[in-house]
Amino acid sequence: GIQVEQSPPDLILQEGANSTLRCNFSDSVNNLQWFHQNPWGQLINLFYIPSGTKQNGRLSATTVATERYSLLYISSSQTTDSGVYFCAGRDDKIIFGKGTRLHILP
Amino acid sequence: KAGVTQTPRYLIKTRGQQVTLSCSPISGHRSVSWYQQTPGQGLQFLFEYFSETQRNKGNFPGRFSGRQFSNSRSEMNVSTLELGDSALYLCASSLWESGGEQYFGPGTRLTVT
Repeated sequence: GIQVEQSPPDLILQEGANSTLRCNFSDSVNNLQWFHQNPWGQLINLFYIPSGTKQNGRLSATTVATERYSLLYISSSQTTDSGVYFCAGRDDKIIFGKGTRLHILP
Repeated sequence: KAGVTQTPRYLIKTRGQQVTLSCSPISGHRSVSWYQQTPGQGLQFLFEYFSETQRNKGNFPGRFSGRQFSNSRSEMNVSTLELGDSALYLCASSLWESGGEQYFGPGTRLTVT
């Protein structure tokens, strides 16, 4: 099955900073998504982005399917952005990366 | 439109017991998937159902089973609970079989003592 690698595993930033989270796939995937897991465990949908670029407020994402990677950009970070960010893709089943734990310091 | 709901939200069981978790998908969604999240193993796929049929299964022992009803609601069952089954169990629904955007419920946190 495919492997999903997320980097960096941990990221500590000051409030107001920008960040880039990366997701690499070992093979072609479909239905790529980015999630933010809140402190209570719920996965919040950020982007459904099989290819191309999307933006939602301070967040944007780009997937280059031919090169098997996706990027999540967070601009002007706020403390509420803290948490774990996951990417996931599908071959015959959904595969999650191990996540990037983001800490935004006030 | 209501989101994915899971019941119960928290559960404490004893080793050897069995447990049933429930998931109600978003109205109109016919695909339901289950995942286990533990600190050591991360998020792992358990199984996926579409139109009452299991379409895919992850690498879990036979103690883990599930089913889907005609109204698309799904249940998963874990028999002969082990300490290692303590985890957050997440359910997701999507419109289509084997595709489309997945929407997750709040999860059921199971503790096995």
